[in-house]
Amino acid sequence: AQKVTQAQTEISVVEKEDVTLDCVYETRDTTYYLFWYKQPPSGELVFLIRRNSFDEQNEISGRYSWNFQKSTSSFNFTITASQVVDSAVYFCALTSNSGYALNFGKGTSLLVTP
Amino acid sequence: EAGVAQSPRYKIIEKRQSVAFWCNPISGHATLYWYQQILGQGPKLLIQFQNNGVVDDSQLPKDRFSAERLKGVDSTLKIQPAKLEDSAVYLCASSFTGGGNTEAFFGQGTRLTVV
Repeated sequence: AQKVTQAQTEISVVEKEDVTLDCVYETRDTTYYLFWYKQPPSGELVFLIRRNSFDEQNEISGRYSWNFQKSTSSFNFTITASQVVDSAVYFCALTSNSGYALNFGKGTSLLVTP
Repeated sequence: EAGVAQSPRYKIIEKRQSVAFWCNPISGHATLYWYQQILGQGPKLLIQFQNNGVVDDSQLPKDRFSAERLKGVDSTLKIQPAKLEDSAVYLCASSFTGGGNTEAFFGQGTRLTVV
């Protein structure tokens, strides 16, 4: 069975602070994929990143960065110099070629205040 | 490129009534998903189609929920009869293929309130 745990339910930061959202996963598959999605108040889930289990390189995209560590089964997401527009619910998700559909964590609600 | 279209955006019904949701996926996407998102939780898969065949409906409450995907394009999800616990956002998503090597694109969802 696959499972994604996002232990942080809500995080509140002041604009320009850095913030890290944690994601821990469980799977017995050797090939799997990890995702992060953003859900703004409008409700649509917006794709941010996909990582496969064979690629442990960290990735940076503008103010966003992701740290994938198989040794700790974690795929953490950091926003540098947060902005008010980053306020949203962020979901970590997991799938494999055998499972197909995404298994989502419960999400972390991020509030960035001016 | 047009995104995943869903309608209606909002629906309020009384318990024991019926309701249907419609989804039009991104053109060319073979895989279509319906997810249920209860307030404060992550989306949970209800059913996955590959073209017009069902890949996974293990979490679909088949005594009251049904879904179809005609001609491998549009899809409808129906609830009959609705219960209070069905209040949730119903998200439709599509991807080019199934599996984890392509991302799924989501619609804005239909917010269902059962009173």
